[in-house]
Amino acid sequence: RKEVEQDPGPFNVPEGATVAFNCTYSNSASQSFFWYRQDCRKEPKLLMSVYSSGNEDGRFTAQLNRASQYISLLIRDSKLSDSATYLCGSTGGFKTIFGAGTRLFVKA
Amino acid sequence: DTEVTQTPKHLVMGMTNKKSLKCEQHMGHRAMYWYKQKAKKPPELMFVYSYEKLSINESVPSRFSPECPNSSLLNLHLHALQPEDSALYLCASSQDGMGTQYFGPGTRLLVL
Repeated sequence: RKEVEQDPGPFNVPEGATVAFNCTYSNSASQSFFWYRQDCRKEPKLLMSVYSSGNEDGRFTAQLNRASQYISLLIRDSKLSDSATYLCGSTGGFKTIFGAGTRLFVKA
Repeated sequence: DTEVTQTPKHLVMGMTNKKSLKCEQHMGHRAMYWYKQKAKKPPELMFVYSYEKLSINESVPSRFSPECPNSSLLNLHLHALQPEDSALYLCASSQDGMGTQYFGPGTRLLVL
């Protein structure tokens, strides 16, 4: 079993749609969690950190469920520019393990 | 400024060459990382430096040799690489090894 598992997609959604990604992690000692966005042939860029209390940044909402060991990302009102690969990551003991990434295509 | 810089952007090398990748950050971060990323795969951790000391080596072959000359710089020395080592090599840094990692733009390496 992989340490961090994500549905690779692709998710094909129309503009304006709401889309949700989930990610599960197996290391219960993981302490920090993140969502990154990676565009084709570019480096990952931090989208948001994930906390148990949940956090929201504009159209993006992230949530951590420690009991079930998963993190989620909700994107509301999808834009064409949201098309990218979304990577979840969990960090413990200096190591960040990334999920395989979920590919999102937003279409007009 | 959350910038991590990497040079070169692209590198083509033969299997007998020796080359180095360079990474620099001026955010005062004390942890720096090297990742390898193949197409359509997530970044895979290679090395972690914390306070200029090697903390993690993820069983990386010895043809990859990291070096941390000071708290702002991280190098990756390459020697006798194989074609399967062709990938995007990403450097990252974080404040303390647990927080947010900021990635550089990467070096795209092709080994012939």
